[in-house]
Amino acid sequence: DGGITQSPKYLFRKEGQNVTLSCEQNLNHDAMYWYRQDPGQGLRLIYYSQIVNDFQKGDIAEGYSVSREKKESFPLTVTSAQKNPTAFYLCASSIPGNTIYFGEGSWLTVV
Amino acid sequence: DAKTTQPPSMDCAEGRAANLPCNHSTISGNEYVYWYRQIHSQGPQYIIHGLKNNETNEMASLIITEDRKSSTLILPHATLRDTAVYYCIAVLPTSGTYKYIFGTGTRLKVLA
Repeated sequence: DGGITQSPKYLFRKEGQNVTLSCEQNLNHDAMYWYRQDPGQGLRLIYYSQIVNDFQKGDIAEGYSVSREKKESFPLTVTSAQKNPTAFYLCASSIPGNTIYFGEGSWLTVV
Repeated sequence: DAKTTQPPSMDCAEGRAANLPCNHSTISGNEYVYWYRQIHSQGPQYIIHGLKNNETNEMASLIITEDRKSSTLILPHATLRDTAVYYCIAVLPTSGTYKYIFGTGTRLKVLA
């Protein structure tokens, strides 16, 4: 089935550690996105990529990094510079300017 | 992208129509209105979108006012499984720098 796969579903991070969230899509979409959601809040854009080897910062990019080496993959690294990383992270993809589809999300907790 | 405004919460009786309003008074002529919903701890699910004309699919109907400054999502026969947060967003379909902006949405509670 076509779709967006995020892994892991749950992840625990120790203080000072970098962690990477995986996002893979087989929809042949050019654009991919990462959003962060805090409890009871809306979605905030972290990074987005319109094509391979290119990406732009969203509204809250500080403390995060991404890469886009393959069309299907858009991993997000939460670095130690992100002071409050506990949140629900959502990956999405679309044909640019068209309907956006989301993965099931990943929960990150700092312990 | 135009800003959208939605009521924070609504209740609806099971089996009745749920009408969820959205204000997008600054929407431009080329921006589409999209609706998504999010059930707790899941990714948002696409529902429907439209530009000018009313739209209907198997999930819902979308009514857009003639001046396009507001719209209403209609779930014709709400069920308990429709309890979710519903997001209305305005989207400009360009190939350049482009992003969806989600607000806090409307939390719909369907009551038995």
